[in-house]
Amino acid sequence: DIQLTQSPSFLSASVGDRVTITCRASQDISSFLAWYQQEPGKAPKLLIYAASTLHSGVPSRFSGSGSGTEFTLTISTLHPEDFATYYCQQVNSFPRSFGGGTKVEIK
Amino acid sequence: EVQLLESGGGLVQPGGSLRLSCAASGFTFSSCAMNWVRQAPGKGLEWVSTISGTAIKTYYADSVKGRFTVSRDNSKNTLYLQMNSLRADDMAIYYCAKNSQGYKRPVDSWGQGTLVTVSS
Repeated sequence: DIQLTQSPSFLSASVGDRVTITCRASQDISSFLAWYQQEPGKAPKLLIYAASTLHSGVPSRFSGSGSGTEFTLTISTLHPEDFATYYCQQVNSFPRSFGGGTKVEIK
Repeated sequence: EVQLLESGGGLVQPGGSLRLSCAASGFTFSSCAMNWVRQAPGKGLEWVSTISGTAIKTYYADSVKGRFTVSRDNSKNTLYLQMNSLRADDMAIYYCAKNSQGYKRPVDSWGQGTLVTVSS
């Protein structure tokens, strides 16, 4: 089974900051990785798939990169609505797995 | 517009059973693999199960294998999750989630979730 390790698990940042979240896979998953955003009390939303493809309607300040075992999600300029929890998920094989999440809070 | 509406959650005693449903609309249901993903209170997301569009293939997390059964009725555009032998650690919000079409694609739409509480 593939384990995904996200870091950091918690991040304190200010509006306007550049933020980077890392997701490491326990084995090669090529580019079969997605990123989701979850606001408190709401269902997750897809941000990025295939490691770097922006989902329809997602602002361009979000970007993803990486392949193999190391991936990053970057928010170029943090907006107030971006304070949320972010999860990576591998879709390379079953069982599917999620990272543990990164909570982005206001400094 | 894609809509996924879960139902069937509630309070159940340990060892009991529950059947979740997810009514889908706004897309060609039979063309999309569907998933159940859960989230325990204050915890992260956990993938539970996936079923292919034709229902030929099903997949389960080890934590639910042998206790949960995923199924679908494409004539009713409805996804199901039969949960048996429920345990305290099954308590969570259960989300119905639609895969985007294609090879090894992610979830692109989520329901609002239904809460399952396991307690005596």
